[in-house]
Amino acid sequence: KQEVTQIPAALSVPEGENLVLNCSFTDSAIYNLQWFRQDPGKGLTSLLLIQSSQREQTSGRLNASLDKSSGRSTLYIAASQPGDSATYLCAAFNDYKLSFGAGTTVTVRA
Amino acid sequence: GAVVSQHPSWVICKSGTSVKIECRSLDFQATTMFWYRQFPKQSLMLMATSNEGSKATYEQGVEKDKFLINHASLTLSTLTVTSAHPEDSSFYICSARVSATAEYEQYFGPGTRLTVT
Repeated sequence: KQEVTQIPAALSVPEGENLVLNCSFTDSAIYNLQWFRQDPGKGLTSLLLIQSSQREQTSGRLNASLDKSSGRSTLYIAASQPGDSATYLCAAFNDYKLSFGAGTTVTVRA
Repeated sequence: GAVVSQHPSWVICKSGTSVKIECRSLDFQATTMFWYRQFPKQSLMLMATSNEGSKATYEQGVEKDKFLINHASLTLSTLTVTSAHPEDSSFYICSARVSATAEYEQYFGPGTRLTVT
């Protein structure tokens, strides 16, 4: 069974600082990995999808890397803004389903 | 990106009653839909996977007679919580894929907050 872990559980940074969010998974036989954002009481917004053959994906200030062999992915958010405050979830896809981590709750202080 | 809607967005029901939640893919046909449950400050737990026209596959520990899932068309899946109890109060999120295979992205609905009194 796939186990996904996210560290840290919570993070508070001043505006403008770069964010580094970590995700690890136990079964490296994944097909892809997704990063999501969840605002309080809301559903999930997909941020980035990395296929297993890729090493990274970028969208604006967001960059996600994937190292399948070591079972790790990292989400980088450059020049953080208060609007980036949310919970970030990573999810690994294998066995035809996504397995989620518990998330990292980010607070960006103005 | 593709849009998935859920209805209702929140519902309050009395203990012992049943409640139905709808999940629709608005601009694509979803062969596969998923239902998740999320408790406060916890991650999403997969309840079941449904393929259009087939019976749902439930995860271990999920009572299929309590959580009835129907995926009758390529754009609609429903989750019915039967004989609801306060411990069923949770945030239910549906998700949809064009296909179960890996090359397709999975899209999520906005969630339904269920409160059982």
